[in-house]
Amino acid sequence: AQSVTQLGSHVSVSEGALVLLRCNYSSSVPPYLFWYVQYPNQGLQLLLKYTSAATLVKGINGFEAEFKKSETSFHLTKPSAHMSDAAEYFCAVSDRNSNYQLIWGAGTKLIIKP
Amino acid sequence: NAGVTQTPKFQVLKTGQSMTLQCAQDMNHEYMSWYRQDPGMGLRLIHYSVGAGITDQGEVPNGYNVSRSTTEDFPLRLLSAAPSQTSVYFCASTNGVGEQYFGPGTRLTVT
Repeated sequence: AQSVTQLGSHVSVSEGALVLLRCNYSSSVPPYLFWYVQYPNQGLQLLLKYTSAATLVKGINGFEAEFKKSETSFHLTKPSAHMSDAAEYFCAVSDRNSNYQLIWGAGTKLIIKP
Repeated sequence: NAGVTQTPKFQVLKTGQSMTLQCAQDMNHEYMSWYRQDPGMGLRLIHYSVGAGITDQGEVPNGYNVSRSTTEDFPLRLLSAAPSQTSVYFCASTNGVGEQYFGPGTRLTVT
């Protein structure tokens, strides 16, 4: 069965520092992978997605993620954190075995310190 | 292009009352879902539909009903509201590769 693990329910970084949010997944067939962001009191919006093209995926707001099949990982990074990046980030996986139903991680709240 | 719309944005119910949360999408997606989001628990799937006339239960279906008479609409009914159903509810529609588009959410309080 598919699963998604996000390491750390809260991650705190200083403004200007590297952001690294970790996501590991399990899937028996090639997956599609997604990162969503949720700003306070708002709905979720797609940040970026991997759908079997380039393994390094660039998203909105300077974020990117790399699909590493050998590590079953899809970690989200941003070189320099801004205060506006403070939000909750969700990793999700889907594949053809689940009829592309999304399986969600528990979310990681990103805190930016001034 | 409106995407996914949800109404109402906020609702307060008394225990035992019923109500329907509305959801509509204009992207012609077959797959639609309802989630609830509670602090520290991420998103939990309530019900989903893979097309008009077809619905199925998700992770936490008890106390909720859905129907899908058209591709566009996917209402969620609370049959007899309970305080445990206080939550934020999101509707989503999904394209062919699992990419989900979310509505703005409904914040429900049951007293």
